[in-house]
Amino acid sequence: NAGVMQNPRHLVRRRGQEARLRCSPMKGHSHVYWYRQLPEEGLKFMVYLQKENIIDESGMPKERFSAEFPKEGPSILRIQQVVRGDSAAYFCASSPESPDTQYFGPGTRLTVL
Amino acid sequence: GQNIDQPTEMTATEGAIVQINCTYQTSGFNGLFWYQQHAGEAPTFLSYNVLDGLEEKGRFSSFLSRSKGYSYLLLKELQMKDSASYLCAVRGASGGSYIPTFGRGTSLIVHP
Repeated sequence: NAGVMQNPRHLVRRRGQEARLRCSPMKGHSHVYWYRQLPEEGLKFMVYLQKENIIDESGMPKERFSAEFPKEGPSILRIQQVVRGDSAAYFCASSPESPDTQYFGPGTRLTVL
Repeated sequence: GQNIDQPTEMTATEGAIVQINCTYQTSGFNGLFWYQQHAGEAPTFLSYNVLDGLEEKGRFSSFLSRSKGYSYLLLKELQMKDSASYLCAVRGASGGSYIPTFGRGTSLIVHP
């Protein structure tokens, strides 16, 4: 049973470009969570989604950031017009139900030049 | 909201026992998690406590006291590979979606 998959593992963007991060949950999991982690800091919750629904986006900046989890395909976290402060590791987690234990993917390391 | 405190860094000797503490203040409580995270890797689930007491799983044990807002992770027979960051996360109530809040993590260094 494959774990949570994320791609790309590393992403480099120039300021002003768009970043698209993908997450495929574990088989049988329909709940997806996105977190951001800066060096020496804890995981910060961004958004929680179920298929075709955003359940909680209280941790996601109102501008430039969006997330979706379509009926088919992976969940996508989109960052428009990236700035240097967006450089971080972005982790996706999934769970079969909610509340339930979350299992994390390997993360995408975003570097903004 | 939630506030979680854990030591920034700890060191221990291979073969020894180490206890990593976590204290929290939360509005509502629906469980406490411990994760292990090696540098540059994903957090890996270690344990979940929702009732008071000790949960043992091999070399790792986790304890919870809800009345004291306190938990600890106990690692026995330390191995070099246990050098990692240990994250304490508390699930309270956030807009009804029960999202866990993570502490900053405790960096454990195991030396020979």
